[in-house]
Amino acid sequence: EAQVTQNPRYLITVTGKKLTVTCSQNMNHEYMSWYRQDPGLGLRQIYYSMNVEVTDKGDVPEGYKVSRKEKRNFPLILESPSPNQTSLYFCASSFAGGSREQYFGPGTRLTVT
Amino acid sequence: EDKVVQSPLSLVVHEGDTVTLNCSYEVTNFRSLLWYKQEKKAPTFLFMLTSSGIEKKSGRLSSILDKKELFSILNITATQTGDSAIYLCAVAPGDSGTYKYIFGTGTRLKVLA
Repeated sequence: EAQVTQNPRYLITVTGKKLTVTCSQNMNHEYMSWYRQDPGLGLRQIYYSMNVEVTDKGDVPEGYKVSRKEKRNFPLILESPSPNQTSLYFCASSFAGGSREQYFGPGTRLTVT
Repeated sequence: EDKVVQSPLSLVVHEGDTVTLNCSYEVTNFRSLLWYKQEKKAPTFLFMLTSSGIEKKSGRLSSILDKKELFSILNITATQTGDSAIYLCAVAPGDSGTYKYIFGTGTRLKVLA
């Protein structure tokens, strides 16, 4: 089944404790992206990757890191999480060029206390 | 600054009604506009529009883009309770080769039986 998977789905952590949210897709998509969704603010793009080893900032990259070492994986790293990073996070992927239909993962609800 | 504005923010209708959701945008180098439906989980793709004046249809849903006036509408006819969701509009702006998306805050639609 074609899908985007994220882990963990739920995470409660404390300020400053490094964490990684994994994202994997099995559709051979070149493009992958991370979003956060907050009430009243909609979906905001954090980082995206156009292919292996090619990443770029979205609108809200502060406090986040990403890497794209393999085509299927695009982990999101929070080196020192803070409470303002409490949010619902989505990973998405799509083919590059032509259609821009993105497939979204199920989401990761992160709470930083 | 690139932005996407959706209206109304929320809408309550009865089954069988027709609704029109609006999405206006101000972005540099517009490439495409996409509509997504978000129920209690990840957004799912509805339409992608790149050309002005061409209507996309899928069952009771349809959408059209006006590139001159910089907006799109999503119409839902004969609404059903299953149409209750948040409808998101996204625009892909930027120069060729960039993949940065700007989402609106969404329209929350509730359809009453």
